[in-house]
Amino acid sequence: NAGVMQNPRHLVRRRGQEARLRCSPMKGHSHVYWYRQLPEEGLKFMVYLQKENIIDESGMPKERFSAEFPKEGPSILRIQQVVRGDSAAYFCASSPFKTTRATNEKLFFGSGTQLSVL
Amino acid sequence: SQKIEQNSEALNIQEGKTATLTCNYTNYSPAYLQWYRQDPGRGPVFLLLIRENEKEKRKERLKVTFDTTLKQSLFHITASQPADSATYLCALAPGGGGNKLTFGTGTQLKVEL
Repeated sequence: NAGVMQNPRHLVRRRGQEARLRCSPMKGHSHVYWYRQLPEEGLKFMVYLQKENIIDESGMPKERFSAEFPKEGPSILRIQQVVRGDSAAYFCASSPFKTTRATNEKLFFGSGTQLSVL
Repeated sequence: SQKIEQNSEALNIQEGKTATLTCNYTNYSPAYLQWYRQDPGRGPVFLLLIRENEKEKRKERLKVTFDTTLKQSLFHITASQPADSATYLCALAPGGGGNKLTFGTGTQLKVEL
């Protein structure tokens, strides 16, 4: 029973290039969350997606960042024209169903992608 | 603005003792609070969840308390072991559903022999 799979584990890009981070949720999970972790800072929510839908993107920077979760295939976090400040660990998490106040929800995290921008 | 505070200083304790970690929050009314463990280079791993109407939750050597009046959660590890050494994160979930967790910066625990 594979967990949340993220690839690549490490990604090096030069300023101005594009970065694509992939996330395959756990089997049976249809909800994906992306978080960013900067050194000495906590995990920051970026975006919450269901299959083919963006549910909440309130944590996404307005420019250069986009996310998708197609009907088939992994979720993709895309960063265009990367800058040094984008260097961080990006974590994906999945959950099996939409949370309500009655549910006992927890997130299953992948091991992250460490993005380094030169 | 909403704020979650965890002790940024590492907590060093001796094996066999009880470790107690603190999570304080302001300007927040969470529906529930979660604790995660994170090892270097890895993603967080869920440990415990406690709801706003619960005072205490236990799981094996772990215990979590939740005081919504003080706006504080305490996380205890009894009979600590070197394998418990890690960073522990608290996370709050908003009321009204959804699982957009807000994380604290974490407290690093080191259990020494």
